[in-house]
Amino acid sequence: EAGVVQSPRYKIIEKKQPVAFWCNPISGHNTLYWYLQNLGQGPELLIRYENEEAVDDSQLPKDRFSAERLKGVDSTLKIQPAELGDSAVYLCASSDRPSGETQYFGPGTRLLVL
Amino acid sequence: AQSVSQHNHHVILSEAASLELGCNYSYGGTVNLFWYVQYPGQHLQLLLKYFSGDPLVKGIKGFEAEFIKSKFSFNLRKPSVQWSDTAEYFCAVRRDYKLSFGAGTTVTVRA
Repeated sequence: EAGVVQSPRYKIIEKKQPVAFWCNPISGHNTLYWYLQNLGQGPELLIRYENEEAVDDSQLPKDRFSAERLKGVDSTLKIQPAELGDSAVYLCASSDRPSGETQYFGPGTRLLVL
Repeated sequence: AQSVSQHNHHVILSEAASLELGCNYSYGGTVNLFWYVQYPGQHLQLLLKYFSGDPLVKGIKGFEAEFIKSKFSFNLRKPSVQWSDTAEYFCAVRRDYKLSFGAGTTVTVRA
């Protein structure tokens, strides 16, 4: 069974540029999460989807971050414009239950903003 | 807000030594508890989890963890580590569909 797929694995951009990350969850997993992981810290939830609905986006900085999951499968997380402080690893996870009993994580996208 | 504290930032030990990583959380209600591991260059993987029942939970690769409700703790243990256990270990607590992670403990096992 394929795991959670993310791309790109690495991204280097200049500040004020836009950037987008893509995630394909495990087949059949209706619940999808985006996390932010700063250096030396654990992951922090940005947004949670149940199918195509964002059910918890309270931690998403909506002035510059946006996310979508149009068909309830793949998801895209976007930052526009990026700031130096956005340099981090962006993780996607999925779960086969809304309760998120066990979340399966992708490899992450490591973003460096110069 | 719920918080998760991991006691050690970096642990260095020799092969065959015993390992114990501390984890405490601040939330007093019903929680589910997890330990995740991230090997160098790999993604986060589930080591073990506790939902209910026997507070001593056994996971993969010889790891176990004990839930002590009165101490709000969920410490991870392994009696004899191997070089391949070198990784970063994260404790996580789930409450109300939200998973909160500790800052992680880097474990380095010397051959």
